[in-house]
Amino acid sequence: DQQVKQNSPSLSVQEGRISILNCDYTNSMFDYFLWYKKYPAEGPTFLISISSIKDKNEDGRFTVFLNKSAKHLSLHIVPSQPGDSAVYFCAAGYRGSTLGRLYFGRGTQLTVWP
Amino acid sequence: EAGVAQSPRYKIIEKRQSVAFWCNPISGHATLYWYQQILGQGPKLLIQFQNNGVVDDSQLPKDRFSAERLKGVDSTLKIQPAKLEDSAVYLCASSHQLTSGRKGNEQFFGPGTRLTVL
Repeated sequence: DQQVKQNSPSLSVQEGRISILNCDYTNSMFDYFLWYKKYPAEGPTFLISISSIKDKNEDGRFTVFLNKSAKHLSLHIVPSQPGDSAVYFCAAGYRGSTLGRLYFGRGTQLTVWP
Repeated sequence: EAGVAQSPRYKIIEKRQSVAFWCNPISGHATLYWYQQILGQGPKLLIQFQNNGVVDDSQLPKDRFSAERLKGVDSTLKIQPAKLEDSAVYLCASSHQLTSGRKGNEQFFGPGTRLTVL
């Protein structure tokens, strides 16, 4: 059962424009969310996170928005750069668990073209 | 700071053979994770260690997979015997503490081992 879903397998955006990557989740117990970026032949690298007590977190060109009522979060990249081309994974977990386990979506391949 | 190291990077074996993967986490990280990532899917947790103790192996196919983390540092993941469906990238990750979403507790991933079972 996929508790974290990324329904768009790919996204193509022109350089300088905004990239919006979406993620939905089904488990209402999740209370923190992370985005990871993955280049080919490398492991995922942490990008940005958000706690369920917030609805927005910003770090440079990257902003994550959380809509708890819709169980939806999105990652905005502004402006997009060719170096942002990678697979982006959404992940979620809950602090009530002592395990710190993360649940990952299938990923979205972002391509930023010049 | 050195990242998470994994070896080998690639492995090709025939079904029913055995294979082992090695992981060296970031120095000082108490928590270590092994994930399986099948093509087109997100990483799926196989096993999680806190120091040298297992805290979650609920998703580990224990009839063929085993893992250990002796001395609470390096870890090995073994598959014996391998099946075709075990073809995947095996990722090792570590975190300072149990991942909580708090800055500094995120998981850091190694480059992975790509396993192909023929």
